[in-house]
Amino acid sequence: AQTIHQWPVAEIKAVGSPLSLGCTIKGKSSPNLYWYWQATGGTLQQLFYSITVGQVESVVQLNLSASRPKDDQFILSTEKLLLSHSGFYLCAWSLGGEVFFGKGTRLTVV
Amino acid sequence: GEQVEQLPSSLIVQEGASVLINCSYTDSASVYFPWYKQEPGKRLQFIIDIRSNMERKQNQRLTLLFDKKTKHLSLHITATQPGDSAIYFCSASLNTGNYKYVFGAGTRLKVIA
Repeated sequence: AQTIHQWPVAEIKAVGSPLSLGCTIKGKSSPNLYWYWQATGGTLQQLFYSITVGQVESVVQLNLSASRPKDDQFILSTEKLLLSHSGFYLCAWSLGGEVFFGKGTRLTVV
Repeated sequence: GEQVEQLPSSLIVQEGASVLINCSYTDSASVYFPWYKQEPGKRLQFIIDIRSNMERKQNQRLTLLFDKKTKHLSLHITATQPGDSAIYFCSASLNTGNYKYVFGAGTRLKVIA
């Protein structure tokens, strides 16, 4: 069975500090991978998608970057956090059609 | 780009009532519309979808209606239960192979026993 694992579960970080969030997908070959950001109150915004290793497309500009170093791994990062980066980050995968989401990482920037 | 509007933003109903969640989109090229449910503390979960060549789809107590002309969808939930309490999201994509999914802002449903 396919599984999606995100880490860490939660982070409290200072403004200006770097960030790295990770996601691995097991049990599926060459899935499409996504990063979403969920604002407090519920709105979901797609940040990045990747259809293959080494290729990542940005959907919105939020001073974040993403990379896919392996077929089953997706990384979200920034060198300098802003207060506006606070929220809930969701990694997801699909093979077209239904999207399967991870449990998310709660990020608080202080 | 595609925009998805979802209404209402919140609903409170008594157990057993039916609810209707509406969703409209702007890009007529969108052809695939999955819906998700997010229960408190749990991950987003797919509940039902519909493609633009269909008008209606049913999955147990869920009925999804699609009107291509008006670019409108509605999710009907019958015989609601407290376990249906969650945030419901509609989304739109240009096709199942497309990589951009635009989500509505969500409808927060609370079912009171």
